[in-house]
Amino acid sequence: GQQVMQIPQYQHVQEGEDFTTYCNSSTTLSNIQWYKQRPGGHPVFLIQLVKSGEVKKQKRLTFQFGEAKKNSSLHITATQTTDVGTYFCAASFISSGSARQLTFGSGTQLTVLP
Amino acid sequence: DAGVIQSPRHEVTEMGQEVTLRCKPISGHDYLFWYRQTMMRGLELLIYFNNNVPIDDSGMPEDRFSAKMPNASFSTLKIQPSEPRDSAVYFCASLSGEGGNIQYFGAGTRLSVL
Repeated sequence: GQQVMQIPQYQHVQEGEDFTTYCNSSTTLSNIQWYKQRPGGHPVFLIQLVKSGEVKKQKRLTFQFGEAKKNSSLHITATQTTDVGTYFCAASFISSGSARQLTFGSGTQLTVLP
Repeated sequence: DAGVIQSPRHEVTEMGQEVTLRCKPISGHDYLFWYRQTMMRGLELLIYFNNNVPIDDSGMPEDRFSAKMPNASFSTLKIQPSEPRDSAVYFCASLSGEGGNIQYFGAGTRLSVL
């Protein structure tokens, strides 16, 4: 089936350091979303990227969608302890029967050490 | 709005017992998704509905799993008989087809099958 690979699986950073997680697909995506799940919580929508080469920012978070619409990244500048959680990309494939159906990456679990 | 409401929050049962998980989507949302989250397999889509009609149930593990959506404000996921490998967190999510592609997740049901 259609899959989206996400790396790394785990990342430990010192507070103030930067953090990046990457998602890759072998096939072209219709769009990609990013979600954050706090420990013990549920996934919460962060952003959606639709256009080739799109870059969006939310305060210290920068989201990118590749030119070929096959990869995406989330970069956090100067991490804080509130950034702790698991970050998931969620892809909608062009070949999918429905644009509403998402395939989630395996997630990157971020730990921020004070 | 209260968001997506799932019940129960926790369920502990013995192997062989029937388990029913419940979900109330956000009012006005016409899509409803059931996911299962485990450490080994991540976040998997089990089934989703559009206007109360099941669209794709290819993620349902086997015949022991069934899902229904009798009306726009209620859905159930049933496991009968339950097995220890069904232990996981089950999330329900909903979205509005007119409001973009954002999925709103419930708090989840943590199921433990002993």
